[in-house]
Amino acid sequence: DVKVTQSSRYLVKRTGEKVFLECVQDMDHENMFWYRQDPGLGLRLIYFSYDVKMKEKGDIPEGYSVSREKKERFSLILESASTNQTSMYLCASSLGDRDNSPLHFGNGTRLTVT
Amino acid sequence: KQEVTQIPAALSVPEGENLVLNCSFTDSAIYNLQWFRQDPGKGLTSLLLIQSSQREQTSGRLNASLDKSSGRSTLYIAASQPGDSATYLCAVRGGSEKLVFGKGTKLTVNP
Repeated sequence: DVKVTQSSRYLVKRTGEKVFLECVQDMDHENMFWYRQDPGLGLRLIYFSYDVKMKEKGDIPEGYSVSREKKERFSLILESASTNQTSMYLCASSLGDRDNSPLHFGNGTRLTVT
Repeated sequence: KQEVTQIPAALSVPEGENLVLNCSFTDSAIYNLQWFRQDPGKGLTSLLLIQSSQREQTSGRLNASLDKSSGRSTLYIAASQPGDSATYLCAVRGGSEKLVFGKGTKLTVNP
C-alpha cells in the first residue's frame, strides 16, 4: 500500500513565523501535491510537482512556496504565516504522467496561526 | 474552467438502505474521475477511479458510474452501514495532472 506521511498532525504557530510542512511518500511517485481544505471552500490546490526540483503553481500559491529536492519528499513553506493560513493542509501523490493511478493522500496537518 | 458540483451537501439514511451520491462536472473533456472518502479530521481515501473510456467501476458494495456526455457520475452504496458515515468527494482530472474536487456529500447512516 502507498503511504503518504505528513510529519505533523497538529501545529500551532505565531503570525510572522516561517513554517515548514513536510510530506514523504514511499512508492516512488512522480507527482506530489499540496492542498488546503477549508469549510465551505473545499480542497484547493496550492502547488504541485511532477519531478524533482520541478514545481507548478496551483490555484492559490500566494504566501506559499515549495521544495522538492528528493523524489520522495515535498515540503510546503509558509514564508510568513498569517491567520488566514489557518487551515487543514493535505499532501498527496500519484504515480506519473498520463497514468490512471489514483491520488493518495496523507492524514493532513491542521495548522493554527495565532 | 472545470467546475464540480455534488448534491446534496448532506444526506442522512437508515442502516440497510441503498443510496446514490451524485457528482456533476461542466467540462466533459476529462481523463478520469475519482471518488474519495474522508473521515472527520483525516485525509482522503481513494475508493474508485473511472477512466474516461469506462462506464463504471465496482468495489465491494460500491459502484461508480460515469456518463461523460452528460457530465455526471454517481456513487451507489448498497446495504449502507453506520461505518459508511463519512464525507464523499468526487474529483475529475482533465489534461493536466491536477484534479478538480467537488465540495463533498456528508453521509450519515443511522443504526
